[in-house]
Amino acid sequence: DSGVTQTPKHLITATGQRVTLRCSPRSGDLSVYWYQQSLDQGLQFLIQYYNGEERAKGNILERFSAQQFPDLHSELNLSSLELGDSALYFCASSVGPTGWDTEAFFGQGTRLTVV
Amino acid sequence: GENVEQHPSTLSVQEGDSAVIKCTYSDSASNYFPWYKQELGKRPQLIIDIRSNVGEKKDQRIAVTLNKTAKHFSLHITETQPEDSAVYFCAARGGNKLTFGTGTQLKVEL
Repeated sequence: DSGVTQTPKHLITATGQRVTLRCSPRSGDLSVYWYQQSLDQGLQFLIQYYNGEERAKGNILERFSAQQFPDLHSELNLSSLELGDSALYFCASSVGPTGWDTEAFFGQGTRLTVV
Repeated sequence: GENVEQHPSTLSVQEGDSAVIKCTYSDSASNYFPWYKQELGKRPQLIIDIRSNVGEKKDQRIAVTLNKTAKHFSLHITETQPEDSAVYFCAARGGNKLTFGTGTQLKVEL
């Protein structure tokens, strides 16, 4: 167990709908990262938050948004869902934002299926 | 931004042989290079990492080398075992982002 908790584990929804994925980082970790992993694809970086503020942004679609709350949990909101959004969404957390901070620990992921 | 390239995309080896996976990165400011192993349907897990102030690091059957001048780093697995079969991802941290390579599917055959 990495200490990073993601809910729900599985999510099935229809095209055009909106969903929210939740991530609780490890105790003491201030950074949260979101990644998308499509079938047979690598880990695509979406966005990073550090202590409530957005720190880095990757190839995140405008239909997607995220935030990190004062208790450090994070939510990834996906709207106007398309079939191509079906993927495994991972959250990871680490102690600090940059430099020599330690490894990023991954949650178990949320498998999103858009039908 | 950082760009990480990883090769090969698939690798098949016989049990007991060695496996080598190579990555290159673009941002010369990157200073932390972890390797993750992902088994089917599971989360990526760190297996070894190296920071830019060292050139090589070993942990039992696993070793990582880093050439900062050439901006490439490699994962070496010796005496491979069936349980080593998985997807391996390299990554490079530059600034705030941890950028991953596209992954290598390693298959260890009996």
